[in-house]
Amino acid sequence: SQQGEEDPQALSIQEGENATMNCSYKTSINNLQWYRQNSGRGLVHLILIRSNEREKHSGRLRVTLDTSKKSSSLLITASRAADTASYFCATDKPGGFKTIFGAGTRLFVKA
Amino acid sequence: DVKVTQSSRYLVKRTGEKVFLECVQDMDHENMFWYRQDPGLGLRLIYFSYDVKMKEKGDIPEGYSVSREKKERFSLILESASTNQTSMYLCASSKTGGSYEQYFGPGTRLTVT
Repeated sequence: SQQGEEDPQALSIQEGENATMNCSYKTSINNLQWYRQNSGRGLVHLILIRSNEREKHSGRLRVTLDTSKKSSSLLITASRAADTASYFCATDKPGGFKTIFGAGTRLFVKA
Repeated sequence: DVKVTQSSRYLVKRTGEKVFLECVQDMDHENMFWYRQDPGLGLRLIYFSYDVKMKEKGDIPEGYSVSREKKERFSLILESASTNQTSMYLCASSKTGGSYEQYFGPGTRLTVT
């Protein structure tokens, strides 16, 4: 089963609204990353949050991490049509090489 | 501008053919990865390499092999393509020595008929 699982699977909002996506995972992690994928393209790294951090900001992005609940959320504020994409969380386990990706949340921002 | 390139965006092959997917990165990264992406399943790791001539199996290595003769190039080989290998293939690279972001290529959409 996937280490990271995003929720919801799909989200449709109006331009200007905030979008919140959640990620849950099963085992302890070194860090958690969020990536964006535009339709039919490769993934682009958005933000990395380490296991000893609780919150991180980057522009209109805000990521939180709750290691006690094994969950993270990605908030995109004041969304734009250009934010339409799939968003993936990815986790790295301690001592491991592998990064485990979830199945993603598809975000659609209507202009 | 950092870059990971893949040899083809779209590829159509017949069942039983040997297929080569090439990936090149210009960032001097030690780690390189091959994933396949299927709807509802996210990205699944096929193989990764942490140095020249070194490779490790990922979660779904069956039916695939890899080659890394030079640091910048990582090849994925489908020895005998089958229809269940129709998928999007993504290559990525990263620095070594801990958890670092991965840089992805644009992907190759492979169809096996």
